[in-house]
Amino acid sequence: AQKITQTQPGMFVQEKEAVTLDCTYDTSDQSYGLFWYKQPSSGEMIFLIYQGSYDEQNATEGRYSLNFQKARKSANLVISASQLGDSAMYFCAMREAQAGTALIFGKGTTLSVSS
Amino acid sequence: AAGVIQSPRHLIKEKRETATLKCYPIPRHDTVYWYQQGPGQDPQFLISFYEKMQSDKGSIPDRFSAQQFSDYHSELNMSSLELGDSALYFCASSLVGEGEQYFGPGTRLTVT
Repeated sequence: AQKITQTQPGMFVQEKEAVTLDCTYDTSDQSYGLFWYKQPSSGEMIFLIYQGSYDEQNATEGRYSLNFQKARKSANLVISASQLGDSAMYFCAMREAQAGTALIFGKGTTLSVSS
Repeated sequence: AAGVIQSPRHLIKEKRETATLKCYPIPRHDTVYWYQQGPGQDPQFLISFYEKMQSDKGSIPDRFSAQQFSDYHSELNMSSLELGDSALYFCASSLVGEGEQYFGPGTRLTVT
């Protein structure tokens, strides 16, 4: 079974609009972390935001926020006020405490922002 | 702020050759990770080191080996290269106990 599921292969949004990228996860571990990374066409992996399983507040970093719904096992990324530079591949990832240090990635969502 | 440094950025090798990729973690980070990302794929975890000791092992082929040195830099050694080894290889670093893994720019390996 997939540990991380990103059901949207591609998303399209206009500048200044908000967009939500979906991520669901599967784990029986009580302690885990959820991550979002951005990969532009140039290839680098840029860390965006992190949410720990015991964090009660949703994580926020500037225009990025993570909508963490533990009971539903979802960790959606919300980007407010989209910019052209947000066009990229976005990966959701998880690290399970019992599984060690490895990040497990989803298949990614390609976001295209138009003017 | 200093980031993870990887060298070389691009590498072209022929089948059956060897390659060595280098990674310099963010200063004071004690944990290094290696990931492989094939074309159009998500990154796959290969191996990680904490304080110069291997901490976790993922889907790393037996033809590959890695180590972390006393200055915390790490090297991924790849032998008997195959066409399927063509990929983007990322190194990431973190502080133990902290969640975030920061990735380097990657080394793009092409095997011909």
